Order: sequence, then C-alpha cells, then structure tokens
Amino acid sequence: AQRVTQPEKLLSVFKGAPVELKCNYSYSGSPELFWYVQYSRQRLQLLLRHISRESIKGFTADLNKGETSFHLKKPFAQEEDSAMYYCALNGGSQGNLIFGKGTKLSVKP
Amino acid sequence: DGGITQSPKYLFRKEGQNVTLSCEQNLNHDAMYWYRQDPGQGLRLIYYSQIVNDFQKGDIAEGYSVSREKKESFPLTVTSAQKNPTAFYLCASSMRRVEAFFGQGTRLTVV
Repeated sequence: AQRVTQPEKLLSVFKGAPVELKCNYSYSGSPELFWYVQYSRQRLQLLLRHISRESIKGFTADLNKGETSFHLKKPFAQEEDSAMYYCALNGGSQGNLIFGKGTKLSVKP
Repeated sequence: DGGITQSPKYLFRKEGQNVTLSCEQNLNHDAMYWYRQDPGQGLRLIYYSQIVNDFQKGDIAEGYSVSREKKESFPLTVTSAQKNPTAFYLCASSMRRVEAFFGQGTRLTVV
C-alpha cells in the first residue's frame, strides 16, 4: 500500500538552529516525492521535489531509497519558516497524490 | 490570471442538506483532486479525476460525490450521508505526475 508517514506533529526549534522534518514512505515502484508548505493564511504550495535536487529557501531533501525516506532539512532555521509542512508521494499509473499528516514547524526567536 | 479557484470561501449547511463546493481551474491541467483537511489528520484524499468524465474514489469517499463534465471544473457534493462534514476542503489540479496547485479552500460548517 502507498503510504506517507510524518512521525512528528509538531517540531519546535530556536532561530538559527538546524531543523529536520522527517518523512518516510511506502511504495513498491519508483516514487516521486514532494514537500509542500502552508504558511499561515496562505494556500498550500510546492516547496521542492526530489527530482529537481534543488534548494529552496535554504531547504533541501534527499531521497534515500534504502531507508525509504525523504527528510527535509535546513541548517539554520528562520522565524519565517514557521508553517505546516506536508510530505507527498505521487505514485501509481493514475498519479494520485498521497500526503502525510503534516508537521507543524515553529521557529522561536 | 491563471490559477485554481474554490468557492465559496465559507459555507454553512443544515443537518440533512446536500451542498456543492465549486472548483475551477484555467491551467489546462488534466488531473483534479479533492482533499479534506482536519487538524492532526493532514490531507485526506476524497476523490480524484485524471480525465474528463472519469473519477476515482480516494480514501474517504463515503458521503461525497463528484462530477467531471468539463476539464476545468470538478465540483464536490457533500451529501447528507456524510456524518461529520464540518472541515476544510481543498481542491487541487496538476499535470500528470507534476506539481499540484491548490485552491484557497472552502470551510464547511454544519449548523
């Protein structure tokens, strides 16, 4: 079964500290993985995707097929990073998007 | 101005009533999705459609119905059979296996 697991509901860090939001997936084929972010009072939007191997707003995420993980990392958190983060899997021939339950990141001054 | 639009922003429903949430996109995307967002539950897939006149049930389809008569429109009806309809509903669209774009959402409250 296709599944995305985000084990942390809430992650609280201080400004300048490193942050890692965990995401594990279950999928039998070659998955396409994404991180979406929802800032307060804004619509859900794409942060980054694994195929791009890019860094957006200082965030990176590496797909680890051996550990079936796609953790989101940032070396120095900023207050404006406070938001809800969702890991998503796009798999199967029908391409339906499956989301994890989300992690609320709170960056304190 | 391209995008995906949900209406209304807020909707109130009486017990036993059906209500329909609108979702329109002008991005020429093939796929459209409906999600329900509850605190602590993340986004749960209700229905999705990859092509006009075809749609598939998601994880929590019971009590909901959809139609896809036009590429740009994917309305969601919350029927009286849905026992706990109060939630935030999100519509999204995408080209196959590429980034999804989301609407601003509709908050439905049963009164």
